[in-house]
Amino acid sequence: SQQGEEDPQALSIQEGENATMNCSYKTSINNLQWYRQNSGRGLVHLILIRSNEREKHSGRLRVTLDTSKKSSSLLITASRAADTASYFCATESLIQGAQKLVFGQGTRLTINP
Amino acid sequence: ETGVTQTPRHLVMGMTNKKSLKCEQHLGHNAMYWYKQSAKKPLELMFVYSLEERVENNSVPSRFSPECPNSSHLFLHLHTLQPEDSALYLCASSPPQGQGNTGELFFGEGSRLTVL
Repeated sequence: SQQGEEDPQALSIQEGENATMNCSYKTSINNLQWYRQNSGRGLVHLILIRSNEREKHSGRLRVTLDTSKKSSSLLITASRAADTASYFCATESLIQGAQKLVFGQGTRLTINP
Repeated sequence: ETGVTQTPRHLVMGMTNKKSLKCEQHLGHNAMYWYKQSAKKPLELMFVYSLEERVENNSVPSRFSPECPNSSHLFLHLHTLQPEDSALYLCASSPPQGQGNTGELFFGEGSRLTVL
């Protein structure tokens, strides 16, 4: 069953503004990850937050996790045109030495110059 | 560049054709994955291999047949596909648990498949 569900499905903002994307999930998690995908390309890992963490930063990225609400948010500050992409959250479970990631449908972010 | 290479990048095939997608990594990873990405749908996990053993098969139709001959290579053999199988097929790999594993998957650029 689908785990992460992103909100909004599409977001369009002006360059320099902050972009916030939300993710909700249904079951217990080990960690939650965010990925980025440029159109027609592969996914690139952005950041991972563990279930015992509440907030994490990486450059212009800030991720929060609320396990009581089963939700996470990704904030991109001071957005740039190059941030235009789709962003996905993914929840992880372990399976015999491998990582099973279940992705949401993604948020399509457009940064207008 | 993630170090995961997929070929071909684009493939057009008829419903009666047989073709294969290839994925290769030389990152020392021991787990490899196939995902399907269709328009307006979440990424669907198809198959998971750990140490060359298939550990997950998400109710994928038998017209998709995976093969993992060694930890560096993963194939997806395709036969008698349907037009609705047209999608972007993404391969990913991940390192062994522990050993500084951050939990992330490393994705290839994908193979865009069109079934006529």
